[in-house]
Amino acid sequence: DQQVKQNSPSLSVQEGRISILNCDYTNSMFDYFLWYKKYPAEGPTFLISISSIKDKNEDGRFTVFLNKSAKHLSLHIVPSQPGDSAVYFCAAGWGSYGKLTFGQGTILTVHP
Amino acid sequence: GAGVSQSPSNKVTEKGKDVELRCDPISGHTALYWYRQSLGQGLEFLIYFQGNSAPDKSGLPSDRFSAERTGGSVSTLTIQRTQQEDSAVYLCASSLDSLGAFFGQGTRLTVV
Repeated sequence: DQQVKQNSPSLSVQEGRISILNCDYTNSMFDYFLWYKKYPAEGPTFLISISSIKDKNEDGRFTVFLNKSAKHLSLHIVPSQPGDSAVYFCAAGWGSYGKLTFGQGTILTVHP
Repeated sequence: GAGVSQSPSNKVTEKGKDVELRCDPISGHTALYWYRQSLGQGLEFLIYFQGNSAPDKSGLPSDRFSAERTGGSVSTLTIQRTQQEDSAVYLCASSLDSLGAFFGQGTRLTVV
């Protein structure tokens, strides 16, 4: 039972363009969502989060959008840079912080 | 140290042997989590420690898995009688009771 799904295993984008990473969830109990970035041989790094009471959160080049009715969130990176190339995981949680449910990840490649 | 430290970084063990994985969280972080990532999968929650509260063990896949956190700091994840399906990257994370846990680099466990 995959409660958090990232249906695109990979995404390729040109430098300077927008990267849009998508995530769907099924559990309506989730009340916060996070995006993590992971480079090979490193642990995931927290990027940005959003509470279920909001529909948008922005931090520099990163913006997360939440559509609760569609149980969908997305991460926008603009402009994309080659250093953004990594695996991106969305994660969701409720209640006790830390007990997160992760998606399978999307490999983002930004070409110079 | 400045970040979450895990040891060993790699462990190869024979099927049936016991293994211990260690996590040193960021100093002062009250919450500590263990996750694992199997090949091609997202991160799977295993166990969560918060201060002096009883740990949330709901993610441990079998009774061969156990974890403890001594003195509210270092944690050890023990896998008894390892099986090949236990092969994965085991990730530890800590946080200061807020969103955005900091992850270690992980321990890659290979059971042969």
